[in-house]
Amino acid sequence: NAGVTQTPKFRILKIGQSMTLQCAQDMNHNYMYWYRQDPGMGLKLIYYSVGAGITDKGEVPNGYNVSRSTTEYFPLRLELAAPSQTSVYFCASSYGGSGKAGELFFGEGSRLTVL
Amino acid sequence: AQSVTQLDSQVPVFEEAPVELRCNYSSSVSVYLFWYVQYPNQGLQLLLKYLSGSTLVKGINGFEAEFNKSQTSFHLRKPSVHISDTAEYFCAVSDGSTDKLIFGTGTRLQVFP
Repeated sequence: NAGVTQTPKFRILKIGQSMTLQCAQDMNHNYMYWYRQDPGMGLKLIYYSVGAGITDKGEVPNGYNVSRSTTEYFPLRLELAAPSQTSVYFCASSYGGSGKAGELFFGEGSRLTVL
Repeated sequence: AQSVTQLDSQVPVFEEAPVELRCNYSSSVSVYLFWYVQYPNQGLQLLLKYLSGSTLVKGINGFEAEFNKSQTSFHLRKPSVHISDTAEYFCAVSDGSTDKLIFGTGTRLQVFP
């Protein structure tokens, strides 16, 4: 049972580079989320999706883009990386929506450093 | 707007001692409340949740939490902790009308032998 799989686990970027964080889930969940975790700040929602073809902004969307062409995949794109995007990124999914009492299932995280 | 306050950033405790991790929320509507746990170098996993009904909620690994509407609190407790409980604990709230959880800043529980 893979659950939620994130790649890569670690990545170092130079300022101005772009990259995509991959996220896949095999639980047939409609809802998927991207969070970033910074020390002492908890988790902040970047983007989320309630189904294939539907995405929406969270609390901190600037500098990121997402797409959801299928139920399984929800990649997060960083354009023009900045040091402020150094963080640990978590992808999560849920069956019924996290806010409607659905449990979130998290991946193991992707640690990104921008130098 | 909803918010969650975890009053302690770190809680050190000796093994087999009781522990309470504090969480207060602000919301003007009915809420759903959650505690998630994050072990080192892992993602978060659900510990327990309050949706409605009994205000005392039991979760995995012997943890429980009590919903107190008058004090807008949802404190997490365990009567006797183990070394393996060392982790970061996050309180989260949702008003149920959105698809989003709002997380607190986390409390790092460190259990010493």
